[in-house]
Amino acid sequence: QVLLQESGPRLVKPSETLSLTCTVSGASLFDYYWAWIRQPPGKALEWIGYIHYTGATNYNAPLQSRVSISLDASQNQFSLNLNSVTAADTAVYYCARVEILPGYYFHYWGQGSPVTVSS
Amino acid sequence: DMHMTQSPSYVSASVGDRVTITCRASHNIRSWVAWYQQKPGAAPKLLIYTSSILQSGVPSRFSGSGSGTDFTLTITSLQPEDFATYYCQQADTFPFAFGPGTKVDLK
Repeated sequence: QVLLQESGPRLVKPSETLSLTCTVSGASLFDYYWAWIRQPPGKALEWIGYIHYTGATNYNAPLQSRVSISLDASQNQFSLNLNSVTAADTAVYYCARVEILPGYYFHYWGQGSPVTVSS
Repeated sequence: DMHMTQSPSYVSASVGDRVTITCRASHNIRSWVAWYQQKPGAAPKLLIYTSSILQSGVPSRFSGSGSGTDFTLTITSLQPEDFATYYCQQADTFPFAFGPGTKVDLK
């Protein structure tokens, strides 16, 4: 059974960096893409970016200048950093595994980590 | 940039009703679309991928169709556990845009 679990601070101050970690159990990071997706309160889902186990990344253009995703294979974790945050970055942040079936789909999700940007 | 629209944004329905939700892509995405169900406080659940393939364990009252730019999710005989918000997602090219969602509520 593949399980993903987000962890990190729930409150971040404006202009600071939002950092979250996703711990994967029941599967190795190898051979998959791993993604971050967010959902502002009452709004739709927004794909943030993904990382391949090789370290290759791809980010959503509006966030590209502020976001980085990394992985730690030894811990079976991958992480999200989003810098210079504002209130608009307040959202539930999900990590997910990308399934290529073909096409790119999100089958396994974490339970979500709510993050509020506020002073 | 690719974007997705959905209609309607809200459906008021009763148990046993047939519900149809439409998703439109701004560009041709072949059959690479997924449908997700999300209940309050929970992560989205993948229902259908590649336009019409049911994810394992999803009831057969859910079905998907379409190709190119126009796609449909149909729920025949709505059940109490189906009241939720449904999102389409284009799975063809980066970024993987989601639709704005359709909330299915109890009439």
